[in-house]
Amino acid sequence: DAGVIQSPRHEVTEMGQEVTLRCKPISGHNSLFWYRQTMMRGLELLIYFNNNVPIDDSGMPEDRFSAKMPNASFSTLKIQPSEPRDSAVYFCASSLGWIPLHFGNGTRLTVT
Amino acid sequence: EDKVVQSPLSLVVHEGDTVTLNCSYEVTNFRSLLWYKQEKKAPTFLFMLTSSGIEKKSGRLSSILDKKELFSILNITATQTGDSAVYLCAVNQAGTALIFGKGTTLSVSS
Repeated sequence: DAGVIQSPRHEVTEMGQEVTLRCKPISGHNSLFWYRQTMMRGLELLIYFNNNVPIDDSGMPEDRFSAKMPNASFSTLKIQPSEPRDSAVYFCASSLGWIPLHFGNGTRLTVT
Repeated sequence: EDKVVQSPLSLVVHEGDTVTLNCSYEVTNFRSLLWYKQEKKAPTFLFMLTSSGIEKKSGRLSSILDKKELFSILNITATQTGDSAVYLCAVNQAGTALIFGKGTTLSVSS
């Protein structure tokens, strides 16, 4: 089992650019989570999907953030336009229930 | 406001020492408490605790929950340099997402 796969590992972009982060969950898992981690705020849930349907997006900071899960094996998190305060490590996690048990290695986003 | 507070924020010990990490919480509709270990990358799941007083154990790590006093501890005995990591505590509430604490950074020196 390859685990949760995220890409890219690192992303450096300029303010105002669009950023797309990708996640492939573990096969057979029906829940997918996007988290953001910063020194100041720790790990925060952005959005949670169950069976490809967004269940809780209350953590999405603002309209610049959007997430999709077109099928059970792929999800994207998009930021448009990006801002320096979006710099963080973004984690994707998957599980069979609604507790995230398996995290990907994260995408470190730097917005200059 | 729901919150999860971990202490200490950071800790430095020598190999072989025993450490205790603390997690206290104030949440509504508590369901379970989880511990994760985060090295340089992804958090990895350690324990899930739902009942008071029942110790969960895995090798040199153990954890227990006190639902009356609203806290949990994570013990690591005979620490090794490989135990150096950030240890995260999170609380699962009914119908909502996990709330994570800020973590305890453990450094084990040889």
